[in-house]
Amino acid sequence: SQTIHQWPATLVQPVGSPLSLECTVEGTSNPNLYWYRQAAGRGLQLLFYSVGIGQISSEVPQNLSASRPQDRQFILSSKKLLLSDSGFYLCAFHQGAGELFFGEGSRLTVL
Amino acid sequence: KNEVEQSPQNLTAQEGEFITINCSYSVGISALHWLQQHPGGGIVSLFMLSSGKKKHGRLIATINIQEKHSSLHITASHPRDSAVYICAVPRSGGGADGLTFGKGTHLIIQP
Repeated sequence: SQTIHQWPATLVQPVGSPLSLECTVEGTSNPNLYWYRQAAGRGLQLLFYSVGIGQISSEVPQNLSASRPQDRQFILSSKKLLLSDSGFYLCAFHQGAGELFFGEGSRLTVL
Repeated sequence: KNEVEQSPQNLTAQEGEFITINCSYSVGISALHWLQQHPGGGIVSLFMLSSGKKKHGRLIATINIQEKHSSLHITASHPRDSAVYICAVPRSGGGADGLTFGKGTHLIIQP
């Protein structure tokens, strides 16, 4: 069966510190992978998507970056966090118009 | 790019009531997703539908492709149905470039 996991679940980071969120998928190959963010009181917003290894598309200009070093691994990073980076981050995958799967989510608080 | 309008934003009802949440979108789509987000933040997929109607237990989802409108119904609502319900559609085309989400409907079912 297809599963998706992301970690860490919760983190509190000071402004200016680095960030790394990791997401892995099992039970499928060559998935389309997505990073979404949900800021407090707002809807989900697409940050990055990837249709293959090394292929990253960015939707929102910001100090975040994403990488896909392996087929089923998707990483969200930042070299220096801002207060505005606080939010709930979700990794997701679906294949074409297929069923949608979300990771457990990572709640980031930047102080 | 597709735009999604969801209503109502907030809904409080008594246990047992019939609940309807509406979703409209601007561009023709291959499939529409209904999602449920619990207070902890995790999101699960309830339905993916491209035409007609689907039913899972007390949940029913319908879609009218011509009118670009979908509804999510909950029959015999229960306090455990309290959550945020989110409608999502492909940003464009087949959906490989991710989803656009409604702002969500915050549902509270009182005993």
